[in-house]
Amino acid sequence: DTEVTQTPKHLVMGMTNKKSLKCEQHMGHRAMYWYKQKAKKPPELMFVYSYEKLSINESVPSRFSPECPNSSLLNLHLHALQPEDSALYLCASSPSGGKNTEAFFGQGTRLTVV
Amino acid sequence: QKEVEQDPGPLSVPEGAIVSLNCTYSNSAFQYFMWYRQYSRKGPELLMYTYSSGNKEDGRFTAQVDKSSKYISLFIRDSQPSDSATYLCAMTQGAQKLVFGQGTRLTINP
Repeated sequence: DTEVTQTPKHLVMGMTNKKSLKCEQHMGHRAMYWYKQKAKKPPELMFVYSYEKLSINESVPSRFSPECPNSSLLNLHLHALQPEDSALYLCASSPSGGKNTEAFFGQGTRLTVV
Repeated sequence: QKEVEQDPGPLSVPEGAIVSLNCTYSNSAFQYFMWYRQYSRKGPELLMYTYSSGNKEDGRFTAQVDKSSKYISLFIRDSQPSDSATYLCAMTQGAQKLVFGQGTRLTINP
């Protein structure tokens, strides 16, 4: 099973709302990632959690707040977003906490900020 | 200069053709190379993963890595309309950060 599950699949939120994206994997992977993808562009790395600790933050604005409650779950809390934050948000996981190899992606959450 | 260069296409070929997709890169420290397939409005699906130079085959797909030339390729044999998607190359030096190419949009015409 190489499945990374993301919920919700679609999300529309206002600029004053607070919402959360969720990601789950049961492959025993120790590294989990959030990526942002705009149309016709490759995914851009936002955050990396390795062994449940935040190891990389790619200078993401504080209106995006990641959380890793346990080794299987990853959340992305959203607050006071801007319309330009509308994108496909992808979660990924990989076996090793030390190396990003064989990264498996979820189907993404398509976020629209109005 | 981008670390990874990939022609965005679009590339259109007839069904049954052999497709060749390529990426070049500038960072000689890259060791792990991946190809992802992404259908419209879906997440990337890992197709092939290779470590260092050489070839790897999986069904109709063959991945090649030439580290001396800093060049990787993905070949698709007997291409099918269902192969129509965007193909992304990605690579890493093993430091948790994948570097992606721009993606090539491929259409297989019946």
